[in-house]
Amino acid sequence: EAGVTQFPSHSVIEKGQTVTLRCDPISGHDNLYWYRRVMGKEIKFLLHFVKESKQDESGMPNNRFLAERTGGTYSTLKVQPAELEDSGVYFCASSQSGLAKNIQYFGAGTRLSVL
Amino acid sequence: ILNVEQSPQSLHVQEGDSTNFTCSFPSSNFYALHWYRWETAKSPEALFVMTLNGDEKKKGRISATLNTKEGYSYLYIKGSQPEDSATYLCAFSNAGNNRKLIWGLGTSLAVNP
Repeated sequence: EAGVTQFPSHSVIEKGQTVTLRCDPISGHDNLYWYRRVMGKEIKFLLHFVKESKQDESGMPNNRFLAERTGGTYSTLKVQPAELEDSGVYFCASSQSGLAKNIQYFGAGTRLSVL
Repeated sequence: ILNVEQSPQSLHVQEGDSTNFTCSFPSSNFYALHWYRWETAKSPEALFVMTLNGDEKKKGRISATLNTKEGYSYLYIKGSQPEDSATYLCAFSNAGNNRKLIWGLGTSLAVNP
């Protein structure tokens, strides 16, 4: 069974440009999460989808970030326009429905560098 | 403020040594504690999810304990091997929002052959 996949693995863009990150969760997982790790800091929660609905977007930094999960399958995270402080590793995770203590399975992340 | 503290920040041991790390978290409103193993450029790998005070879990040479009353968890590695070299991350969730993981900075382990 395929795990969580993220694309691209690495993206280098200039300040002011737009970047879209994609996450394909494990098939059948209703819960999808986005996290970000800025270099030298802890991983931070961004948002949580249940199917196509945003359950919690309290961690989204500002309105330059837009996450979607049309049809409740894959998700995209768009940063527009990108700023230098957006650089970091963006992780996606998915988990089964049911108990909140279910394991969150992670992708390998997208490393975003904003120059 | 919900903070997760991990110590030590980094650790160098020799192959065969046993080692342990600490994760401290807020004890009020506790829901679950997660341990992950992460190698750079790879997916963080789930090791354990623990919810009950006094819980002990084991996976091969790695084990973990949980004390929810005082707010700490220990991760133990017995007979470290070079392939254990990685960053060990802990994350906790509270009863108020039990799917949102709050993370520590991790403990970076290097095992020398």
